[in-house]
Amino acid sequence: GQNIDQPTEMTATEGAIVQINCTYQTSGFNGLFWYQQHAGEAPTFLSYNVLDGLEEKGRFSSFLSRSKGYSYLLLKELQMKDSASYLCAVTDNYGQNFVFGPGTRLSVLP
Amino acid sequence: DTAVSQTPKYLVTQMGNDKSIKCEQNLGHDTMYWYKQDSKKFLKIMFSYNNKELIINETVPNRFSPKSPDKAHLNLHINSLELGDSAVYFCASSQDPALSMQYFGPGTRLTVL
Repeated sequence: GQNIDQPTEMTATEGAIVQINCTYQTSGFNGLFWYQQHAGEAPTFLSYNVLDGLEEKGRFSSFLSRSKGYSYLLLKELQMKDSASYLCAVTDNYGQNFVFGPGTRLSVLP
Repeated sequence: DTAVSQTPKYLVTQMGNDKSIKCEQNLGHDTMYWYKQDSKKFLKIMFSYNNKELIINETVPNRFSPKSPDKAHLNLHINSLELGDSAVYFCASSQDPALSMQYFGPGTRLTVL
């Protein structure tokens, strides 16, 4: 089976930096995704990590450590529109299974 | 053009009824999925289809059945609806099964009374 853990809620200030952590336990790890979901909307893709290290994409970066079963999403220069849920998702069983974590609801305050 | 579309957006029905939700993608993707997101916002995969063959079938009740008339469509049929089926159902598609980013439809909010 799979076990994915994320903090339930986080709060940060506009312009700041926030790091959202994700830990997982899977068999046959095949990649980790981060998705953003605004209230009442569909999830949208943010990043994909399959090798260890940092992937940077504009204000968002995602890090992966396969040996530790750990990832984080780093959001810089926070904007009000970044208030959303951030979902960590893992493919395991060598790509045959796709599991979302419980999500972290981020609130950005002025 | 909408990449992944679902109809209806809202569905309100009585317990015991049978209903369907339609999904279409115009991205030329090989794999389509159905997810259920409950009131606690937990997003759980229900089914995925790759080239019209079921490749993941999570432990969902057999009242739920996916039907794929062609690669661009994956419809969800639900028989004998129960109160616990109330949720938002998302359709998604990707180029490869579980290996590439998924594009989600706007969701269908199902309410069973």
